[in-house]
Amino acid sequence: DAGVTQSPTHLIKTRGQQVTLRCSPKSGHDTVSWYQQALGQGPQFIFQYYEEEERQRGNFPDRFSGHQFPNYSSELNVNALLLGDSALYLCASSLVANSPLHFGNGTRLTVT
Amino acid sequence: QQQVKQSPQSLIVQKGGISIINCAYENTAFDYFPWYQQFPGKGPALLIAIRPDVSEKKEGRFTISFNKSAKQFSLHIMDSQPGDSATYFCAASSTGGSEKLVFGKGTKLTVNP
Repeated sequence: DAGVTQSPTHLIKTRGQQVTLRCSPKSGHDTVSWYQQALGQGPQFIFQYYEEEERQRGNFPDRFSGHQFPNYSSELNVNALLLGDSALYLCASSLVANSPLHFGNGTRLTVT
Repeated sequence: QQQVKQSPQSLIVQKGGISIINCAYENTAFDYFPWYQQFPGKGPALLIAIRPDVSEKKEGRFTISFNKSAKQFSLHIMDSQPGDSATYFCAASSTGGSEKLVFGKGTKLTVNP
């Protein structure tokens, strides 16, 4: 039973560029949440998707956007990258919105 | 504004000892308090969670103690093992479950053999 899978595992981008990160939820899960984890910090909630709609959003600028597809997989897009966007981006899935989260191993984004 | 304050930042314990990690919160709307364990290169994994209607919850060697009046909760790891060496995060939400979790900054636990 595959857990949450994220791609790519590592990514290096230049300031000002755009990036797309991908997530496949655990089998049977329909809700996807995205978190940003800066080095030495706890994860910070970005947003949550359910039924292809953004349900909840954290305190992140509009440069951060997402999408959920009919197969429940999800993308996180970040535009106009800043150096401060360098972090581990974690995707988590759950069966319904408030059930326990299962995290993927993340995508390490480095902005130079 | 840090909504969940976690301490200590790092902790070294001998094998067989008790590891204690503390968290404090201000938002009285929080009603779900999970603890996550994260190994290097991996995503966080749920260890144990508690709701404010109980003061203690135990699962194996892991126990959460919850003090609603003090707005504090803690994780106790009994008989700590080298395999418990990881970073531990407390978290909280006001949604009754795992939506929109607010995490502490983490505690790096090292258990010496």
